[in-house]
Amino acid sequence: DSGVTQTPKHLITATGQRVTLRCSPRSGDLSVYWYQQSLDQGLQFLIQYYNGEERAKGNILERFSAQQFPDLHSELNLSSLELGDSALYFCASSPGTGEVDGYTFGSGTRLTVV
Amino acid sequence: GQQVMQIPQYQHVQEGEDFTTYCNSSTTLSNIQWYKQRPGGHPVFLIQLVKSGEVKKQKRLTFQFGEAKKNSSLHITATQTTDVGTYFCAAPTAGRELTFGTGTRLQVTL
Repeated sequence: DSGVTQTPKHLITATGQRVTLRCSPRSGDLSVYWYQQSLDQGLQFLIQYYNGEERAKGNILERFSAQQFPDLHSELNLSSLELGDSALYFCASSPGTGEVDGYTFGSGTRLTVV
Repeated sequence: GQQVMQIPQYQHVQEGEDFTTYCNSSTTLSNIQWYKQRPGGHPVFLIQLVKSGEVKKQKRLTFQFGEAKKNSSLHITATQTTDVGTYFCAAPTAGRELTFGTGTRLQVTL
């Protein structure tokens, strides 16, 4: 157990639908990052939150959005889902207070769009 | 944006052989991190290198950061089947979020 909790572990949904992925960071970590990992691609950065505020944005589609709540858990919302959105979605956290910290990853949510 | 390339993409070795993966950037990096992802698992942080020319060892793993801070390598001595997985390097962008390399998938057979 890495200390970062992601739910659900698996999700199967139809095209056009909307889903919410949830992440609870490791205790004490203020930064949360979302990454997408497709079969033929590496880890693509989506978005980062730090202590409730959006800190950085990567190649995140407009159909995707995220937020970090006062208790520091984060949610990634994916809407109007397409087949190509099928991927592993990882959440990672870090203390966020140092120059750069190593990330602690959750076990991921495997999304399958059919 | 910043890109970090890794080579090779895939390597298959016999148990006991050595393995090296290389990470290259066109820009100077403030630091570099290495992660390992086992099949079906999530990335796990291995190490961070900060200084030019830095070398760090973890048992059979040796990590190096280039003098110009534009490249790095991970060398595994005498691979074991437990070393199987994908090894990623990662470097921070201006916003501190990490850009991950393309990864090197290591397969070890007996």
